[in-house]
Amino acid sequence: EVQLVESGGGLVQPGGSLRLSCAGSGFTFSSYWMSWVRQAPGKGLEWVARIKEDGGEKYYVDSVKGRFSISRDNAKNSLYLQMDSLRAEDTAVYYCARDYPGYWGQGTLVTVSS
Amino acid sequence: QAVVTQEPSLTVSPGGTVTLTCGSSTGAVTSGHHPYWFQQKPGQAPRTLIYQTSNKQSWTPARFSGSLLGGKAALTLSGAQPEDEAEYYCLLSYSGGRVFGGGTKLNVL
Repeated sequence: EVQLVESGGGLVQPGGSLRLSCAGSGFTFSSYWMSWVRQAPGKGLEWVARIKEDGGEKYYVDSVKGRFSISRDNAKNSLYLQMDSLRAEDTAVYYCARDYPGYWGQGTLVTVSS
Repeated sequence: QAVVTQEPSLTVSPGGTVTLTCGSSTGAVTSGHHPYWFQQKPGQAPRTLIYQTSNKQSWTPARFSGSLLGGKAALTLSGAQPEDEAEYYCLLSYSGGRVFGGGTKLNVL
């Protein structure tokens, strides 16, 4: 059974940093593109970033370029999202997802507030 | 980045048929956009219904189907059930990046 479990969310002050993690199991982690998707309270889904199987290609939504960094450690079956210079508008539930054919974690809440 | 458009809300009667659409600001949606459709109910994580235009996940009820229709991606629900009331999102691919539509709130009344 495919499982994705996010961790690392919490309350952080504006301008601060946070690192999210996602542990994958039940599949060959190194064979799939992986993504981060977020959902602000009461809003729709927003794709944030994705990374190729070997980490060699990375793509970001414009609003996080230069502030967020996606990475992976295939030996640990783990996906990461390093979030720096956080803003109030980054407040959201962050989901880890396997791109094909679409598996999702349960999400972790990030709140940016003073 | 591209803008992906969906109907904000639709209503279908129980047992009825409804089609949700997903358009792109860059032009016609094609199979090259690898359309996905997701269902999300309140308080739950999204779940994938359709991937790459028309392929169903193992848990996708047979009453859901995906296609390309009139230059858009389409999700058709035939024989709506009360439990299908939810928010539906489409997702399109653009040269490595991806963009979600704003979502369609489907009411089954």
